[in-house]
Amino acid sequence: QQQVKQSPQSLIVQKGGISIINCAYENTAFDYFPWYQQFPGKGPALLIAIRPDVSEKKEGRFTISFNKSAKQFSLHIMDSQPGDSATYFCAASGGTDKLIFGTGTRLQVFP
Amino acid sequence: DTGVSQNPRHKITKRGQNVTFRCDPISEHNRLYWYRQTLGQGPEFLTYFQNEAQLEKSRLLSDRFSAERPKGSFSTLEIQRTEQGDSAMYLCASSFGTGNWGEQFFGPGTRLTVL
Repeated sequence: QQQVKQSPQSLIVQKGGISIINCAYENTAFDYFPWYQQFPGKGPALLIAIRPDVSEKKEGRFTISFNKSAKQFSLHIMDSQPGDSATYFCAASGGTDKLIFGTGTRLQVFP
Repeated sequence: DTGVSQNPRHKITKRGQNVTFRCDPISEHNRLYWYRQTLGQGPEFLTYFQNEAQLEKSRLLSDRFSAERPKGSFSTLEIQRTEQGDSAMYLCASSFGTGNWGEQFFGPGTRLTVL
């Protein structure tokens, strides 16, 4: 019940395309859903986060869509750029704010 | 640089040795977290401090692991009698908050290799 399931494991997108990464959770006590970006050899960096009282949040080229009834949320990267090539992690927390991370999606954006 | 810092960045040790890592959080952040990340996986929660109090420990944190945050500022994570399975990236994060879900800022991590 503590798991966060993330897909796909890897994603290849052409420059300018849309990258979509999906996550699903089971624990209805989760109330905070961040997405992190991680480059090789670096720690994760927060990209964007959402709470379940809204269905969508947009920051620049990054959008989170949240479906509370389905217990799913997704990250959309519009106009994907080679600099977006990284590993993306969804996460969830509730109650104590320790983060439960998904297994990651390795995104490669080709020019 | 006012971000989370971790030292050392890399540590190679022999099985059975003890190692200690240090984390300096962002100034004035009252919460500090330790996570462990193995290759190809997401970070896994290990333990969490609010000020100097250790509030939660994961079952992943065996009795060979101990963490402290003596004055509510920096924290240390010690692993005794290291095993090859301890090889991983150890990440520290900090946040400021009094309720739930303060934004967590991660450090660059300490990569541990146990030979």
